[in-house]
Formats: sequence, C-alpha cells, structure tokens
Amino acid sequence: AQSVTQPDIHITVSEGASLELRCNYSYGATPYLFWYVQSPGQGLQLLLKYFSGDTLVQGIKGFEAEFKRSQSSFNLRKPSVHWSDAAEYFCAVALGVDSSYKLIFGSGTRLLVRP
Amino acid sequence: NAGVTQTPKFRVLKTGQSMTLLCAQDMNHEYMYWYRQDPGMGLRLIHYSVGEGTTAKGEVPDGYNVSRLKKQNFLLGLESAAPSQTSVYFCATAMGDRHTDTQYFGPGTRLTVL
Repeated sequence: AQSVTQPDIHITVSEGASLELRCNYSYGATPYLFWYVQSPGQGLQLLLKYFSGDTLVQGIKGFEAEFKRSQSSFNLRKPSVHWSDAAEYFCAVALGVDSSYKLIFGSGTRLLVRP
Repeated sequence: NAGVTQTPKFRVLKTGQSMTLLCAQDMNHEYMYWYRQDPGMGLRLIHYSVGEGTTAKGEVPDGYNVSRLKKQNFLLGLESAAPSQTSVYFCATAMGDRHTDTQYFGPGTRLTVL
C-alpha cells in the first residue's frame, strides 16, 4: 500500500541553523510529491511540489526539496531557519483518482526554533 | 477573493447529535475534498468530489455523508456524532488538471464530540 513516513515527530533547531526534514514514501510508480506547512491554528499551505523533471525543487520561503528515487526520499531543506518557520510540516504523495489525485499524508514533523 | 472558507470554525456536539460542515470556494475549482486531522496521524481523506453532483469515498468514509449540489459548495454531514469523530476537519479544492494540480486548503473546523 502507498504510504508516507516522516520519521521525526519533533525537531528543534537554532535560529540561523540549517534544517533538513526527512520524508520517505512507498509507491510503485513515479510519485507526485508535496510538502505542506501548517502554522498553529491554520490550514495547510503548499511549500513545493515535485511532478517530474529536475529532482531539486525550489519552493516558497527559501525551502527546497530533493527527490531521490533510489532512496524513495523527498527531504525538505532550508539553509538558514527563521523563527517564523516554527510550524508543522507534512510530506504527501499523490494517488491518481479520475483525472486528478488524492493525497496521502505523513504524520508530520513539528519544528521548534530556538532563539 | 476568499479562496476556501469553512463554516463553522468550532463546534461542540453531544454524542448522537447531527451537524453539517460547509466548505465554500470561489476559485471555480472542479475537485473538492474533505480530510480529517488527528494527532500523530497526519490528514486522512474522508470523501471527495470530482464535480458538481458527484461524490466518492476516501480512506475513512464511515459515519460521514457528503453532497455537492453546487460547484462551489461541498457539505460534510455527521448523522449521529460519536466521540471518535472528534477531530479537525479540512476542506481542500483543486482545479482538476492532474499534471499541474495543487490542492488548496481551508482554515479548518475543530469539532469536539462529548
């Protein structure tokens, strides 16, 4: 069955430090992959997505992610974290349905930022 | 241009009561989705719709019904609420083009069933 694993429930980094959030997926075909961010009490906002092409994807707010087929991974990175990046981050894989898709989400990683 | 809105924002129900959650969108999107979010489990798809008048089951449809009578609205109903349905409910919409699609999420409805 298709699934997404985010092995880190919580991550704490210092402001200005680099960040990497891990995501592994299980999917038979070439996946469509997404990273969403959820600030407290808010809905989900799309950070970036991978459909095809260049395996290094740039997103909003200075985030990037790299698709590695051999490792079934789609890790999210940011070179320098800001206090406003504290939030919960969700990785998702798309499963085809009709002409669109539905999302299978990981359980999320909560990012805490130390001043 | 409000995007995706959800009504109500918060609700407390007693076991056995019924209620309807409303999702409204002004983006003219074809596809609409209802997810629930529970701690440590991410979001799970309840039902979805690929167009006006159509609905389909997602991963966790039991105990819920939906209707899409108008393109811009997607209703989620709980006929007889149970404590297990305490959750945060999110609506999402998508244009319907599989190769470029993004799902846009509403702000959520926090439901507590006592």
